Amino acid sequence: GQQLNQSPQSMFIQEGEDVSMNCTSSSIFNTWLWYKQDPGEGPVLLIALYKAGELTSNGRLTAQFGITRKDSFLNISASIPSDVGIYFCAGSNTGNQFYFGTGTSLTVIP
Amino acid sequence: NAGVTQTPKFQVLKTGQSMTLQCAQDMNHEYMSWYRQDPGMGLRLIHYSVGAGITDQGEVPNGYNVSRSTTEDFPLRLLSAAPSQTSVYFCASSPLQGGGVYGYTFGSGTRLTVV
Repeated sequence: GQQLNQSPQSMFIQEGEDVSMNCTSSSIFNTWLWYKQDPGEGPVLLIALYKAGELTSNGRLTAQFGITRKDSFLNISASIPSDVGIYFCAGSNTGNQFYFGTGTSLTVIP
Repeated sequence: NAGVTQTPKFQVLKTGQSMTLQCAQDMNHEYMSWYRQDPGMGLRLIHYSVGAGITDQGEVPNGYNVSRSTTEDFPLRLLSAAPSQTSVYFCASSPLQGGGVYGYTFGSGTRLTVV
């Protein structure tokens, strides 16, 4: 299957700091999604990207669809304790199958 | 409450047993899918459906069967459970726009242990 590499694997940051994470693929995608998963719950969609170069925001979250179509980036500004969780990227080039990254675990220290 | 409902939340099976994981959505989504989540491997697609009567295989379909007789329901059947199928299973649905998936809504998961 497709390999999506997310980095970093884990992050420990102070409350108020900004966060950056990225996702790279060996294949070109035409859709990128970013999800957040809380313990014991299913992932929740944060941002969807459909066009190369697209920059989309959702509150303090901003995501970008890389120009090469093989990568995507997620930034969180002014982190708060409820940002804790695992963040997943997902990409698709068919519309019917999404491939997920292995996740970035975020810990916010108050 | 609108959304994706999965049952059961927890299940322990003995090797060789069969069972069905249930998934129902009330959002009239055409697309439904099953993923498994294993530590360090992200989510991997098992099977998906783009409408009633239509199913297709994903990345890891072996050992699992699905059917889609209604828009609302998409059960996942384990034919003969194996320890390698110990995992957390997520059902997800999405409307279809322009022939593609818009963005999944996930259920809260079924935690399956096969001993």
